[in-house]
Amino acid sequence: NAGVMQNPRHLVRRRGQEARLRCSPMKGHSHVYWYRQLPEEGLKFMVYLQKENIIDESGMPKERFSAEFPKEGPSILRIQQVVRGDSAAYFCASSPPHPRGNTIYFGEGSWLTVV
Amino acid sequence: KQEVTQIPAALSVPEGENLVLNCSFTDSAIYNLQWFRQDPGKGLTSLLLIQSSQREQTSGRLNASLDKSSGRSTLYIAASQPGDSATYLCAVRSNDYKLSFGAGTTVTVRA
Repeated sequence: NAGVMQNPRHLVRRRGQEARLRCSPMKGHSHVYWYRQLPEEGLKFMVYLQKENIIDESGMPKERFSAEFPKEGPSILRIQQVVRGDSAAYFCASSPPHPRGNTIYFGEGSWLTVV
Repeated sequence: KQEVTQIPAALSVPEGENLVLNCSFTDSAIYNLQWFRQDPGKGLTSLLLIQSSQREQTSGRLNASLDKSSGRSTLYIAASQPGDSATYLCAVRSNDYKLSFGAGTTVTVRA
């Protein structure tokens, strides 16, 4: 049973370009979460999605950031017009339905560097 | 808003010594608490999950306690080994799905 798969693992973008990060949840998991880890800081919640539905995006910056989890295919975190402050590790996690009592599993992360 | 604090921020011990990592949280209304390990440049590996109704969980050399009323959890690692060197993260779930993380404790075990 493959774990949470993220790609790319490392991404370099110039200021103003777009970054697309992909996440495939564990088999049988229908809930996906995105977290961001800035240097020397803890992980911060960004968004929680179910298939075709954004449940909570309270941690997403108001501009330039968007996320989706289509019926088919991976979840995508999209960052438009990247700036240096977007440089961070972006982690995807997944869980089965009714996540309350269940472990949330994290992927290996996507490291974004904006130059 | 849930705030999670981990003390100390860094810890260096000789091999064989027991490790004690502390985590505190401000809102005691939690569903569960999870301890993770993170190696440099890597993702998070779940170590232990303690439900709010539990007092502790054990897995091999790892033991985690939870005192929900005082907002504290402690991770004990017995007989530390160099392979235990990593950053350990504490995460609290205060609702159905959102985890609040501490900044982590970076552990170095000297051979």
